[in-house]
Amino acid sequence: ETGVTQSPTHLIKTRGQQVTLRCSSQSGHNTVSWYQQALGQGPQFIFQYYREEENGRGNFPPRFSGLQFPNYSSELNVNALELDDSALYLCASSSPTEPSGYTFGSGTRLTIV
Amino acid sequence: EDKVVQSPLSLVVHEGDTVTLNCSYEVTNFRSLLWYKQEKKAPTFLFMLTSSGIEKKSGRLSSILDKKELFSILNITATQTGDSAIYLCVHFTGSARQLTFGSGTQLTVLP
Repeated sequence: ETGVTQSPTHLIKTRGQQVTLRCSSQSGHNTVSWYQQALGQGPQFIFQYYREEENGRGNFPPRFSGLQFPNYSSELNVNALELDDSALYLCASSSPTEPSGYTFGSGTRLTIV
Repeated sequence: EDKVVQSPLSLVVHEGDTVTLNCSYEVTNFRSLLWYKQEKKAPTFLFMLTSSGIEKKSGRLSSILDKKELFSILNITATQTGDSAIYLCVHFTGSARQLTFGSGTQLTVLP
């Protein structure tokens, strides 16, 4: 299967709840990165996973956590949701041999009410 | 902290116009500058620029990098309504494989 698949496409949660977003990486890509894109802004780097280990983290609090599985798919977990967490969450997969080869998924639109 | 700044933030033109989108950057360890087009959700790759002065071209789109002045431009000639999108300028750090995005330029092309 080619391309990056994210689920769900849309989600509405209330403050204080927890959420898990999922990402299947493109075939052959072993690195997965997560980005948060607030309305009218560029995506902000959350963290990256390589071979099931966190391999870099942006300026996000610990309530943002993740996992990568042996098949290179990944999850983003956010605890204690806040209104400011409302955003488009993008997953991108890449391979170390392709410096420009980031493939983005279509994202999960998360709305916190 | 690495910084990528794009201008203008938004632009409205008519079909057939030529547009120039600007990107300046301040980064500690330059590797590459990338341009992406984001129409609905998933950004799609346009160009990767590593060397100064070498123009990358794809159809009506072209881009160039100036590493001395720390900026890049993206040109679109003979714009079409399908060019309406957010254009993102991105620094690729290489070693940490992180992408630092600018805030994007929202381009609207009117018929």
